Amino acid sequence: GQSLEQPSEVTAVEGAIVQINCTYQTSGFYGLSWYQQHDGGAPTFLSYNALDGLEETGRFSSFLSRSDSYGYLLLQELQMKDSASYFCAAPKAAGNKLTFGGGTRVLVKP
Amino acid sequence: DTGVSQNPRHKITKRGQNVTFRCDPISEHNRLYWYRQTLGQGPEFLTYFQNEAQLEKSRLLSDRFSAERPKGSFSTLEIQRTEQGDSAMYLCASSLGTVTLEQYFGPGTRLTVT
Repeated sequence: GQSLEQPSEVTAVEGAIVQINCTYQTSGFYGLSWYQQHDGGAPTFLSYNALDGLEETGRFSSFLSRSDSYGYLLLQELQMKDSASYFCAAPKAAGNKLTFGGGTRVLVKP
Repeated sequence: DTGVSQNPRHKITKRGQNVTFRCDPISEHNRLYWYRQTLGQGPEFLTYFQNEAQLEKSRLLSDRFSAERPKGSFSTLEIQRTEQGDSAMYLCASSLGTVTLEQYFGPGTRLTVT
């Protein structure tokens, strides 16, 4: 089976940097995905790490360390619209089901 | 709109009734997934299809739940004899199979069982 743990909530001010950690335990690890979900909205894909290291996509970056069973999502230059829940998720394989963490609610304050 | 669509968006039903939800995936996507999400939790996998074939069903899914994708396009999820514990958001997602890791989610159907 798979389990992913992440903090439940983070609060930060506009312009700040937030790091959301995700630790995982899996019987077979393929990679780590990150999804964003606004209240009442659908989860939307942000990034995926198959290999160790940092993947940068605009203001958001994601990192993976397979040896530490750990990854993080880095949100830079926070904006009010970044207030949402962020989920790490592990696919069993490409095109396979996702196992999600419990989600981290990010609240951005002015 | 070429995204994933789900109907209805909201469903209120009495305990013991049957309900059916529909999901229309992105047209060229051959994989379709159903997840369930309760407030403050991450989505939980229910089942998924490759075209019309159901490839996996969660052990958490009781016999009251059934899903179909008869022509490899839209899918339906039926819950029989609903219970209050079935109240949740039911999310559908689709993807291009093994080509990409990205799953595209629909807006969900919120079920309330009274």
